[in-house]
Amino acid sequence: AQSVTQLGSHVSVSEGALVLLRCNYSSSVPPYLFWYVQYPNQGLQLLLKYTSAATLVKGINGFEAEFKKSETSFHLTKPSAHMSDAAEYFCAVIPNFGNEKLTFGTGTRLTIIP
Amino acid sequence: DSGVTQTPKHLITATGQRVTLRCSPRSGDLSVYWYQQSLDQGLQFLIQYYNGEERAKGNILERFSAQQFPDLHSELNLSSLELGDSALYFCASSVGRPNTGELFFGEGSRLTVL
Repeated sequence: AQSVTQLGSHVSVSEGALVLLRCNYSSSVPPYLFWYVQYPNQGLQLLLKYTSAATLVKGINGFEAEFKKSETSFHLTKPSAHMSDAAEYFCAVIPNFGNEKLTFGTGTRLTIIP
Repeated sequence: DSGVTQTPKHLITATGQRVTLRCSPRSGDLSVYWYQQSLDQGLQFLIQYYNGEERAKGNILERFSAQQFPDLHSELNLSSLELGDSALYFCASSVGRPNTGELFFGEGSRLTVL
């Protein structure tokens, strides 16, 4: 089954530092990939998505992700962390167009150190 | 505010009981998805409805059932509840089919089974 693996269940960075959250997918064909964010006591919100149009995808709140087929990766980055970025981040995949199931990774909790 | 409304927000009940969770999708959205979020299993896809019809099934137990009504709201019924059913249940909606992965999530219904 198609899936995504998020490396690191907890990541801590200092305010102003680079944020890097890792996601690898398992697929023989390029899937549709997504990053969602969940703030405390809230539902999930779409940050960005990759659907094969461009390998570097820009999302909301200054986040971006790069699709690398050779590495089967879709890591999420932000140049400078802000306290408001503290949340849980989920990588997700739809294995192919028309598939109805959006499958989520296990999540990475991001903590920002003042 | 995602526009997806879930009720109740919190529910405490006893083992063996039955509960119903309700979801109103965003205006105009025809697809409704149900997810279960727990510490040990993460975010698990349960079931999807499109315009009243079941379209995809995930890891949904036989004790659980769902339906989508003509006004497009959806209900998730959980019966013969067990301690392990304690979790956060999310409803999400999207415009239609196929699944583009752009889901709008409600804030969830937190179920505690004692």
